[in-house]
Amino acid sequence: EPEVTQTPSHQVTQMGQEVILRCVPISNHLYFYWYRQILGQKVEFLVSFYNNEISEKSEIFDDQFSVERPDGSNFTLKIRSTKLEDSAMYFCASSLLAKGDTQYFGPGTRLTVL
Amino acid sequence: SQKIEQNSEALNIQEGKTATLTCNYTNYSPAYLQWYRQDPGRGPVFLLLIRENEKEKRKERLKVTFDTTLKQSLFHITASQPADSATYLCALYSNYQLIWGAGTKLIIKP
Repeated sequence: EPEVTQTPSHQVTQMGQEVILRCVPISNHLYFYWYRQILGQKVEFLVSFYNNEISEKSEIFDDQFSVERPDGSNFTLKIRSTKLEDSAMYFCASSLLAKGDTQYFGPGTRLTVL
Repeated sequence: SQKIEQNSEALNIQEGKTATLTCNYTNYSPAYLQWYRQDPGRGPVFLLLIRENEKEKRKERLKVTFDTTLKQSLFHITASQPADSATYLCALYSNYQLIWGAGTKLIIKP
């Protein structure tokens, strides 16, 4: 069964450094998402992406964040200058359709900012 | 203010019984609501979606109800098994994004 994959599984970085989290969505899906979950807290929507552009973003997704689909398979989340409070699990998801279609989540990347 | 509330306390259920989890929301008018399962350190796994014009949806041992008047969804697992132990999240679709509840931890005891 197709699945969303994410790399790395765990990323440790120093405050102020840039990180890139990578995702490979399910191949025929058209909509891509990033979420984060701070330990013990709710899943929070960051951004959705369709047709090579951001379709929606939350207040969390400020200028420090960017997303890109550099080729036909990868979907990346870049954090330019990490802060301690960026430490969280970051989940990528994809769906075939928008607006309520099932979203399939990857296993997540645990980001630890020291 | 807008809120989605799930019972924050863990729910302990004896194996074989029906587990019922609650999701309440205020100041949203979602077109639909979804339920996910999340195991520790893993991503959410989609279980069921129910639309505003549907009262009930079933899938194997799972049943979801949606009452837009009460602004509440109930999630039932019948004949519960220890393998059902996990955190269950509700999420509603509003303003083109999924808004998540904090989840309820379900523990099924043998």
